[in-house]
Amino acid sequence: QAGLTQPPSVSKALRQTATLTCTGNSNNVGNEGAAWLQQHQGHPPKLLSYRNNNRPSGISERFSASRSGKTASLTISGLQPEDDADYYCSAWDSSLSVQVFGGGTKLTVL
Amino acid sequence: QLQLQESGPGLVKPSETLSLTCTVSGGSISSSTYYWGWIRQPPGKGLEWIGSISYSGSTYYNPSLKNRVTISVDTSKKQFSLKLSSVTAADTAVYYCARIYKRMGIDDWGQGTLVTVSS
Repeated sequence: QAGLTQPPSVSKALRQTATLTCTGNSNNVGNEGAAWLQQHQGHPPKLLSYRNNNRPSGISERFSASRSGKTASLTISGLQPEDDADYYCSAWDSSLSVQVFGGGTKLTVL
Repeated sequence: QLQLQESGPGLVKPSETLSLTCTVSGGSISSSTYYWGWIRQPPGKGLEWIGSISYSGSTYYNPSLKNRVTISVDTSKKQFSLKLSSVTAADTAVYYCARIYKRMGIDDWGQGTLVTVSS
């Protein structure tokens, strides 16, 4: 089962902007995009963005998702200390009929 | 507010079957809009999808676990369940139950339950 590719770590300064990436193929990310999840240590993941780039109710506008071809991106503007977390992308693979995840990106807010 | 709660043993012996149940409250389990899934996370590692089920019982499984996994649903009890057979230490993980909105995203998660495989 092919997973999605994410950089293991990203570091950015407080109040700066971070862009996280997630690369898949034409059957998953390239098909309908990727969803984004945030996970703080010891807590379950929380959905930040659906595959269509819409945010669930209650998610800050500082989180913005987009897609270009087979790569999805999550942009976090005005970084805050609470944004220090792990971020996962996820998508349904229409060819394999499986849910795939990225390996996760650890975002450190300096 | 939808809530999902995992329940089941926190310790399972090697070669035995891991069994977990997820109880859904605050919303309907019988909707064609959603699938219900199990995801696990080994300590210090990333997320792994185990499988999903619709309210009518249609299932999808991770091919790497397919021979050992069974997911079932009981709409009358608003529960869905996971059985994973022939477990080894590699199956030690936090197991989450979750709601999947069509194929657009996993939008509600249980708190997770740690299952340790050890004799």
